[in-house]
This record gives sequence, C-alpha cells and structure tokens, in this order.
Amino acid sequence: DVKVTQSSRYLVKRTGEKVFLECVQDMDHENMFWYRQDPGLGLRLIYFSYDVKMKEKGDIPEGYSVSREKKERFSLILESASTNQTSMYLCASSSVDRGNQPQHFGDGTRLSIL
Amino acid sequence: KNEVEQSPQNLTAQEGEFITINCSYSVGISALHWLQQHPGGGIVSLFMLSSGKKKHGRLIATINIQEKHSSLHITASHPRDSAVYICAVRDDKIIFGKGTRLHILP
Repeated sequence: DVKVTQSSRYLVKRTGEKVFLECVQDMDHENMFWYRQDPGLGLRLIYFSYDVKMKEKGDIPEGYSVSREKKERFSLILESASTNQTSMYLCASSSVDRGNQPQHFGDGTRLSIL
Repeated sequence: KNEVEQSPQNLTAQEGEFITINCSYSVGISALHWLQQHPGGGIVSLFMLSSGKKKHGRLIATINIQEKHSSLHITASHPRDSAVYICAVRDDKIIFGKGTRLHILP
C-alpha cells in the first residue's frame, strides 16, 4: 500500500531556529510536494520537486527552502523560523503526471513556533 | 486563475442521512480530486475524476464538465464519516478548495 511518512506529528520550535521537516515515500514517485494548511485558507503549495535535485517554487515559498537529494525523501527547511510559520504542514507525492495521477498525502506535521 | 468554491462550509447531519457536498470551479480543468481529512490531520484520496460518475462503497462523486461543478454524495451517513472534505482541481497546477467540515451525529 502507498505510504508517505512525515517525521513528526507535532513539533515545537523557537523563533529564529532552523527547522527541518522530513518526508519519505515508498512508492518510487517522481513528484513530491510540501503544503501548509491554515484555517480559512485551505492547502497552499510551498514547493514541489519533480526529480532528484530538482525543485520548483509553489505559491508561498518565502521563508522556506527544500532539499531532494534522494528520490524517496523531500525535506522542507525553515531557515529562520518565525511565528507566522506556525501551521499544519503536509507532504504529498505522486507519480509522473500522465493522465492525472492522484497525490498521496502524509499525516501532517503540526508545527508551533514560539 | 481558477477559483474553487465549496459548499456548504459546515454541515451537521443525523446518522443515516444522505449527504451532498458541492464544488464549483471557474476555469476548465483536466481532473478533479476529492480528498478526506480526518481530525488527526491525515489526508486520504477518495476520488479522481474527469467526467461522469464514480462510486466507492457509500461514496459517490459526480462531475459536470459543462457546468464546472462536482458533487460528493454520502449515502447512509455514519459518525465515522465526520471529517473535512476537500475538492481540488487540476489545470496547469492544483488548486484546493477550503473544505467542507462534516459532522454526523449518532
């Protein structure tokens, strides 16, 4: 069965810290995505990657960076965490987009920045 | 830019009721995706469709391409169906609706 695993369900960090959120998928998917979800705003795309070492900015990339050194792992990095980055973060993956492949989501990481 | 609107935003119903959640979008798409998010946060893919109707158990999804509208129906609703249901459309990228929060009372 399809599995997307996010490293933490809950995380608390302090303003200014460098924060790493990890995501691993076991389906050999080419595409991986990072979203944040906030009340009243729905899911918003931060970054996505369509291959190892490739990345593309989504709708709200400011304050974030990503790393994809291996196909199965996609990391989201908050270079200097700020309180407005407190949110639910969701990782997803999908196979190469021919005929609209569905995205498979992880369970999410609820990140609080104090 | 595609605008995705879901209705209702919140829905409370009694166990056993027939549920309908609606999704409208403004620009032609290649596919529409219905997702379910449980209170714990995890998101599960329910359906992806580009025309007609799909059925899985008590869930039915329909799409009308001409009217740019999709519905998700739940028959014989149950408290375990309580979740947020999210519609997402794909044109040159994926755009998500804000979700419909469904609460089924026993």
